[in-house]
Amino acid sequence: AQKVTQAQTEISVVEKEDVTLDCVYETRDTTYYLFWYKQPPSGELVFLIRRNSFDEQNEISGRYSWNFQKSTSSFNFTITASQVVDSAVYFCALSEAKKSSGDKLTFGTGTRLAVRP
Amino acid sequence: DAGITQSPRHKVTETGTPVTLRCHQTENHRYMYWYRQDPGHGLRLIHYSYGVKDTDKGEVSDGYSVSRSKTEDFLLTLESATSSQTSVYFCAISAREETQYFGPGTRLLVL
Repeated sequence: AQKVTQAQTEISVVEKEDVTLDCVYETRDTTYYLFWYKQPPSGELVFLIRRNSFDEQNEISGRYSWNFQKSTSSFNFTITASQVVDSAVYFCALSEAKKSSGDKLTFGTGTRLAVRP
Repeated sequence: DAGITQSPRHKVTETGTPVTLRCHQTENHRYMYWYRQDPGHGLRLIHYSYGVKDTDKGEVSDGYSVSRSKTEDFLLTLESATSSQTSVYFCAISAREETQYFGPGTRLLVL
């Protein structure tokens, strides 16, 4: 069975601080995908990034960066110079990558990030 | 935007009544999913579809049924709503590259 753990329930930072959201996963599959989604106070789910299990390169997109380490089964998300608009709940998710029946996502319980001015 | 709508967006109903939620996509994607979101649980998969009339159960399927008679529509039915089904329901579609895009959600309150 797959499992995603986001141990940090809530994080509060002051604007311009850097913050890292942790994600640890468990799977027996050799091929899988990892995702991060953002859920702002308005409630929608916004896709941020997808990473497949064969690509361990870190990725940077503006103030966002992701560190994927298969050795520790972690896919951590760092926001540099946080802003108030980054306040949201962030979800890490894992999929089985079985195309014949679709890619079912297993979500972590989310980390609520509050960025104070 | 992935072209996904959900209806209704909000609904209040009473225990024991049937409820149907609709997910509509304009992208012609093969895969569609229903999740529920509850505090402390993140999102959990209820049912999913991999084609017209092709559906299967997810992690929390008890008390729910689904139907997909057209590519663009995926219906979630609560045959007899219970208070434990009070939740926010999200529909998702699989675009290319296995990324799921989500609809705006439906808030359901069962009294």
